[in-house]
Amino acid sequence: KNEVEQSPQNLTAQEGEFITINCSYSVGISALHWLQQHPGGGIVSLFMLSSGKKKHGRLIATINIQEKHSSLHITASHPRDSAVYICAVSVGAGGGADGLTFGKGTHLIIQP
Amino acid sequence: ETGVTQSPTHLIKTRGQQVTLRCSSQSGHNTVSWYQQALGQGPQFIFQYYREEENGRGNFPPRFSGLQFPNYSSELNVNALELDDSALYLCASSLGFFPLSGGETQYFGPGTRLLVL
Repeated sequence: KNEVEQSPQNLTAQEGEFITINCSYSVGISALHWLQQHPGGGIVSLFMLSSGKKKHGRLIATINIQEKHSSLHITASHPRDSAVYICAVSVGAGGGADGLTFGKGTHLIIQP
Repeated sequence: ETGVTQSPTHLIKTRGQQVTLRCSSQSGHNTVSWYQQALGQGPQFIFQYYREEENGRGNFPPRFSGLQFPNYSSELNVNALELDDSALYLCASSLGFFPLSGGETQYFGPGTRLLVL
């Protein structure tokens, strides 16, 4: 069973700050997902990656397969970035389906 | 907007009752997964359907069952409701290229919030 740990659990920062959220997992994966969940429940997929680095606007996600670790960075943070950020991993390798295993999430608040 | 819808948005049931939650996936998405998210926790995988057949299951009892239909809609049924079933239930769809690897973007619905009294 894959364990997914995120840190920090809660993060409050000032507008404009550079934000880093970390995720580590215990066993090999086929892909790692970064998700954003707003109050009310809706979840949006930000990134899916299995190696290297991806960038979308002010968001950057990196993954180190050897160290079983991923980071999500937000540059020039803004109050609208306030949300819960969730790391999730998938293990399934052909045929079977194990769904996603989720971390507990990082609750991010960006103050103006 | 992910194109995935769920109904109802909120639901209140009493212990022992049965409930059916519905999800409408994006057209062309062959795979749908259901998750349970308790308050303050990350989602937990219930099961996945691929082309109308259950393709994988998490650690949930048989009273959690599902169906997937050819029109890209699906259902989650829960029998004999317990207080601990109170949670946000999320469905997520993906294209589902076989063999399924989990390496596909998942499109989540807004969820159904179930309260069991």
